[in-house]
Amino acid sequence: KAGVTQTPRYLIKTRGQQVTLSCSPISGHRSVSWYQQTPGQGLQFLFEYFSETQRNKGNFPGRFSGRQFSNSRSEMNVSTLELGDSALYLCASSLRQGDNEQYFGPGTRLTVT
Amino acid sequence: LAKTTQPISMDSYEGQEVNITCSHNNIATNDYITWYQQFPSQGPRFIIQGYKTKVTNEVASLFIPADRKSSTLSLPRVSLSDTAVYYCLVGSWNSGNTPLVFGKGTRLSVIA
Repeated sequence: KAGVTQTPRYLIKTRGQQVTLSCSPISGHRSVSWYQQTPGQGLQFLFEYFSETQRNKGNFPGRFSGRQFSNSRSEMNVSTLELGDSALYLCASSLRQGDNEQYFGPGTRLTVT
Repeated sequence: LAKTTQPISMDSYEGQEVNITCSHNNIATNDYITWYQQFPSQGPRFIIQGYKTKVTNEVASLFIPADRKSSTLSLPRVSLSDTAVYYCLVGSWNSGNTPLVFGKGTRLSVIA
């Protein structure tokens, strides 16, 4: 069974631009969560989607948004990029909403210059 | 959310058994204990999950005492490739609205 895939793997953007990251969950998994990881703040939860609805949201500004499609694939968007948004963005999928057993993708390394 | 406390770092020699203890004094009745492993620039990998007593899989064992206020992840005969950060998390999927909270984790360094 294929694992979680994320595209692109690496991205360089300029301040003020926007970016869209994509995540394809493991087949059969209906929950997709997004995390931001930085050396200073560690792994921080962004949001979780289940059945195309956002079920949970972390403490991030409204510039961070996401959505989930009917095939459970998810996208995350960050608008008006700031230097501090440079991070590894991880997507994780699980069978159930709020499941502790999550399977992470390789991440998208975003660099904002 | 039950908060967890783990050692910041640990060192071990190859071939030794490593035990990483996690404290979670305010764990709730419905909470499970879950451990993840993360290598640099990769996503965390689910290792093991348990509710009480002992759980064992092909990778590790998880020991949970009766009061469930702590848990110990045991890695048998570690190798250099086990060098990673290990996260202990506590939560319940039954709640449905409580996201996973990753702490700082324990950085394990395995030495030849």
